[in-house]
Amino acid sequence: QPVLTQSSSASASLGSSVKLTCTLNSGHSNNIIAWHQQHPGKAPRYLMNLEGSGSYNKGSGVPDRFSGSSSGADRYLTISNLQSEDEADYYCETWDRNSRVFGGGTKLTVL
Amino acid sequence: EVQLLESGGGLVQPGGSLRLSCAASGITFSNYVMSWVRQAPGKGLEWISVISGSGDTTYYAASVKGRFTISRDNSKNSLYLQMNNLRAEDTAVYYCAKIVTTTDHWGQGTLVIVSS
Repeated sequence: QPVLTQSSSASASLGSSVKLTCTLNSGHSNNIIAWHQQHPGKAPRYLMNLEGSGSYNKGSGVPDRFSGSSSGADRYLTISNLQSEDEADYYCETWDRNSRVFGGGTKLTVL
Repeated sequence: EVQLLESGGGLVQPGGSLRLSCAASGITFSNYVMSWVRQAPGKGLEWISVISGSGDTTYYAASVKGRFTISRDNSKNSLYLQMNNLRAEDTAVYYCAKIVTTTDHWGQGTLVIVSS
């Protein structure tokens, strides 16, 4: 079964960039993942799915400031020109034949 | 526009049952795999069940297997989650989600509280 590992927290300054990491466990390093954003008290929002090649497809209305990339088993979400509204929890997701898995989430603080 | 609208949450006693519904619109519902995901207070997202577009294939997380049943009625564009023998640890917001490879749309969630 796939396992996704995320740092519990990250912080960056307003207007700067931040790169969040989601790491796949051994045997699943080629998995496609998705990134989701969740503000407190709100439903998650799909941001993009991201392949091991680094190719990604964003959801409708996701700003250009959000981009994805990959390196080996690591999947990245980069947010450029950070805005206050980017302060949220970010989750990655993947699946195998009979289950779906979420990472533990990263709480992003915009300073 | 894709819309997923959950209903059926509420307060239930331990050992009780509840049936959640998710009404889908803006999509050809039968074409899509659907899932239920929950989030306990202050915790992360937990996948609990998935169902194929036809409804003939289902999978469950170990934490709910044998107690919860996922189903769908494609004629009504609806997804369901029958929850039996509920426990305090099932207290969470329950989201339905549409899947295209990964989850690409979420409902707004419905709160289930299991407490005496």
